[in-house]
Amino acid sequence: DTGVSQDPRHKITKRGQNVTFRCDPISEHNRLYWYRQTLGQGPEFLTYFQNEAQLEKSRLLSDRFSAERPKGSFSTLEIQRTEQGDSAMYLCASSSPVRNSGANVLTFGAGSRLTVL
Amino acid sequence: AQSVAQPEDQVNVAEGNPLTVKCTYSVSGNPYLFWYVQYPNRGLQFLLKYITGDNLVKGSYGFEAEFNKSQTSFHLKKPSALVSDSALYFCAVRDPLTGGSYIPTFGRGTSLIVHP
Repeated sequence: DTGVSQDPRHKITKRGQNVTFRCDPISEHNRLYWYRQTLGQGPEFLTYFQNEAQLEKSRLLSDRFSAERPKGSFSTLEIQRTEQGDSAMYLCASSSPVRNSGANVLTFGAGSRLTVL
Repeated sequence: AQSVAQPEDQVNVAEGNPLTVKCTYSVSGNPYLFWYVQYPNRGLQFLLKYITGDNLVKGSYGFEAEFNKSQTSFHLKKPSALVSDSALYFCAVRDPLTGGSYIPTFGRGTSLIVHP
């Protein structure tokens, strides 16, 4: 399977603990996105990488959140001192560089569901 | 700023009947528009996109969408619904005038329920 992989699929943690999610994009895709989805809502943008460079961060991404893509391949999203409001599905997506620029289609992973007790 | 609205939380249709899932958008210039589908416990899957050209775009699984610039709409359609089409549908928009940003904005989704 050469799709986007996310790990873990489910994470239950206690408030105040740190959690880390990993995303392995499609190998030839240089763009990587993190979105957050809560029940009844569409995906909300968190952050975007082009290769290893983090080019954009949403205002939703508080200082408790950090994302990395150290070698331009896999990415990690860490949440420190989790709060109950962090409970959501965290979606990773990747896309390839295409000549017609913004028409790139995102390929999503199945998501990592976080439950903060 | 770019935004997209899906005015219906849920659409119900009988199998074999035509379906429409509505989407309106707001961008500064000419939009790039997308539809994605999400089945339970699965990631979003791309259905179709509009970039330029013919206003009627055909996509996967028999779906099509019509771009209407005057109404700023991009409604998803299918002539004959299947029970297996039941899923969450998301419209997304990207404003190409946002320079180097390649980040689409998604609507809140519409739950399509096809009754046997």
